[in-house]
Amino acid sequence: AQSVTQPDIHITVSEGASLELRCNYSYGATPYLFWYVQSPGQGLQLLLKYFSGDTLVQGIKGFEAEFKRSQSSFNLRKPSVHWSDAAEYFCAVGEYGGATNKLIFGTGTLLAVQP
Amino acid sequence: ETGVTQTPRHLVMGMTNKKSLKCEQHLGHNAMYWYKQSAKKPLELMFVYNFKEQTENNSVPSRFSPECPNSSHLFLHLHTLQPEDSALYLCASSQDQVGVYPYEQYFGPGTRLTVT
Repeated sequence: AQSVTQPDIHITVSEGASLELRCNYSYGATPYLFWYVQSPGQGLQLLLKYFSGDTLVQGIKGFEAEFKRSQSSFNLRKPSVHWSDAAEYFCAVGEYGGATNKLIFGTGTLLAVQP
Repeated sequence: ETGVTQTPRHLVMGMTNKKSLKCEQHLGHNAMYWYKQSAKKPLELMFVYNFKEQTENNSVPSRFSPECPNSSHLFLHLHTLQPEDSALYLCASSQDQVGVYPYEQYFGPGTRLTVT
């Protein structure tokens, strides 16, 4: 079955430090991959997506993600974290081919930023 | 800025009440979704509508009743809820075409529901 694993439930980084959030997926066909961010009390905002082509994808707010087919991974990175990046981050894989297209989400990684 | 709005943002209801959640998308999308987000649980897809037709009902109890009168509006009618139904209910929309690759979804801010 299709699935997304985010192995880190909670991560704390210092402001200005680099960040990498891990995401592994299991999907039999060509994966379409997404990262979303959710601030407290808000909905999910799309950070970036991978459909095909260049495996390094640039997103909003200075985030990027790299698709590695051999590792079934789509890790999210940011070179220098800002306090406003504190939020919960969700990785998702798009499921298609059936009666409905849908997104399969991971359980999320909660990011805390220390001053 | 999100093109998906949800009302109300907060709702407290008793177990015998009937209430409705409303979602409206201003993005010209054809697909709309209801999700339930509970603490420490993955996001749960509840219903999917595509061109006003329901294409997914993810084994949701009948006390949740969706309605999609057109591609821009989605409702979730609630009745006889249980305390475990307390959660954040998120609406999303996408420009989706079944049989083609899945498009990204755009989410509303959610309705925080508390059942007492």
